[in-house]
Amino acid sequence: DSGVTQTPKHLITATGQRVTLRCSPRSGDLSVYWYQQSLDQGLQFLIQYYNGEERAKGNILERFSAQQFPDLHSELNLSSLELGDSALYFCASSVGVRGRASSTYNEQFFGPGTRLTVL
Amino acid sequence: GENVEQHPSTLSVQEGDSAVIKCTYSDSASNYFPWYKQELGKGPQLIIDIRSNVGEKKDQRIAVTLNKTAKHFSLHITETQPEDSAVYFCAASGGQGAQKLVFGQGTRLTINP
Repeated sequence: DSGVTQTPKHLITATGQRVTLRCSPRSGDLSVYWYQQSLDQGLQFLIQYYNGEERAKGNILERFSAQQFPDLHSELNLSSLELGDSALYFCASSVGVRGRASSTYNEQFFGPGTRLTVL
Repeated sequence: GENVEQHPSTLSVQEGDSAVIKCTYSDSASNYFPWYKQELGKGPQLIIDIRSNVGEKKDQRIAVTLNKTAKHFSLHITETQPEDSAVYFCAASGGQGAQKLVFGQGTRLTINP
């Protein structure tokens, strides 16, 4: 058990709908990362938050957005869902020291994921 | 941006034998290289990592080597056991100060009893 929790475990919805995925980081971790895992694209970085602020963006679609709340949990919002959005969505957390360009605190621990199926 | 290539995509070894998985990266500024093990229905689990100021790191039956000049790193598993069967991912990060992980495509390792 990594200490990162994600809900829900499974989500089945229809095209055009909107869903929210939730992540709680490990105790003490300030950074949260979202990754998408699909069969054709592998594990892809979506977005990172550090202590409530957006830190880095990957190839995240404009239909997707995220935020990190004062209690450090994070939510990933996916809207106008398409069939191709079906994938596993993972959240990871790390200590994430602000302003440190070095990799000293890079260990990322992944949650169990949310499997999204768009029908 | 960073690109990570991982080989082989599938690997089958006899129990007790060794397994080696290799990765290459493109960004010479990357300085952190973790390896993850993913079992069916679970999230990736960090099993070992190495930083660019170290050439080799070992943890029991698992070792990782890094060649910065050639920009490649490898995972070595010795005395393989059935529970080592899983998908293994290499990753790289640290280029341009970024903390995001760029993953390889994964290797499905099967240990035959």
